[in-house]
Amino acid sequence: ETGVTQTPRHLVMGMTNKKSLKCEQHLGHNAMYWYKQSAKKPLELMFVYSLEERVENNSVPSRFSPECPNSSHLFLHLHTLQPEDSALYLCASSQGVDRGNSPLHFGNGTRLTVT
Amino acid sequence: DQQVKQNSPSLSVQEGRISILNCDYTNSMFDYFLWYKKYPAEGPTFLISISSIKDKNEDGRFTVFLNKSAKHLSLHIVPSQPGDSAVYFCAASYGGGADGLTFGKGTHLIIQP
Repeated sequence: ETGVTQTPRHLVMGMTNKKSLKCEQHLGHNAMYWYKQSAKKPLELMFVYSLEERVENNSVPSRFSPECPNSSHLFLHLHTLQPEDSALYLCASSQGVDRGNSPLHFGNGTRLTVT
Repeated sequence: DQQVKQNSPSLSVQEGRISILNCDYTNSMFDYFLWYKKYPAEGPTFLISISSIKDKNEDGRFTVFLNKSAKHLSLHIVPSQPGDSAVYFCAASYGGGADGLTFGKGTHLIIQP
């Protein structure tokens, strides 16, 4: 399998549930990202990992907890979410964070609905 | 305050004609610009990019123009094909950092047969 794979594709969860989103990249990249896309809003960067170290956390609420066990895998653990957290969550990878000309490769996203 | 603006939520173009998608930015520190294309139920895919040291970059049917003085860039697709129907996102970064990408809201391009 090639590219960036995200599972599940769709997720419906209650506000008291705990769930995890998974991302795997098969591109040999060193950096991985979580983005959030809400309706009628630009893509928002949530977390950046470079060589498994978190390098950026864009003031994301603690109910979102990322985990990067190795350079190929990235998780987003979800706990006590709010309905306004319903969105498309996109994972991406790139060769590195140091160069803007290292384009992001995105997965197909997880459509999350919080009820 | 949005630093990257795509003021047209949608654009309809006839097949075979030129599609022009526009993007404006406010941060003069941006030095690298990218366009991404997104089909429904898929993630965005990288299309073309341009560095601030250039004013034009071409790749097949796709050309990106950068006007630094106007803080404006545009994506030209010619000729437009039905498969070009998608949402196009403009993105900008500064300092060369991929972690510093700022995206626009996107423009939905519809190619009419």
